[in-house]
Amino acid sequence: DTEVTQTPKHLVMGMTNKKSLKCEQHMGHRAMYWYKQKAKKPPELMFVYSYEKLSINESVPSRFSPECPNSSLLNLHLHALQPEDSALYLCASSQDGTGPQLYNSPLHFGNGTRLTVT
Amino acid sequence: RKEVEQDPGPFNVPEGATVAFNCTYSNSASQSFFWYRQDCRKEPKLLMSVYSSGNEDGRFTAQLNRASQYISLLIRDSKLSDSATYLCVVKSSGSARQLTFGSGTQLTVLP
Repeated sequence: DTEVTQTPKHLVMGMTNKKSLKCEQHMGHRAMYWYKQKAKKPPELMFVYSYEKLSINESVPSRFSPECPNSSLLNLHLHALQPEDSALYLCASSQDGTGPQLYNSPLHFGNGTRLTVT
Repeated sequence: RKEVEQDPGPFNVPEGATVAFNCTYSNSASQSFFWYRQDCRKEPKLLMSVYSSGNEDGRFTAQLNRASQYISLLIRDSKLSDSATYLCVVKSSGSARQLTFGSGTQLTVLP
């Protein structure tokens, strides 16, 4: 069982909808991530939060808006998505957000939200 | 040249076989190495970290060759449940941006 929990597991939304993906971890990890994964491709980094502050935005379109309400929660707000945004959205966490501890700190992934934009 | 390269496979092997995957990386400053396993339509799960001296976990052995810049994963006595995609992950610094995934190697273990 994963220690990073994502909801919902599946989401179908129209291009005019607004929805949110949620992620929660209780491992005390201080770095949290959003990845996007298309079929038969590796995960692509979208955003990184380190100590609840956005530290990396990989030039993600503004129709994706991340939010980190506290050290255990990470949200991804979706608005006016395109069909090509359909993918598996993965949340992950790791032990530390900065410094040498990050070197050997693996990512722990949630079970993902499979998003379909119609 | 990609930063992290893996043979995509597919590797189809009979139960009980030994199979090995390699992963090469181009950044000589790479610091940390991991193997993840991903089942179809599921999230990647950490299989094992790869240490400089090599490490073993049951039927799985990971090796690092810094001189040639590759890591390997050896699976002995393959089980049907080992069928999955195996992703190598390389970290080059303390920044999450420097965490690079290989494209994955697909393994199918046949009865």
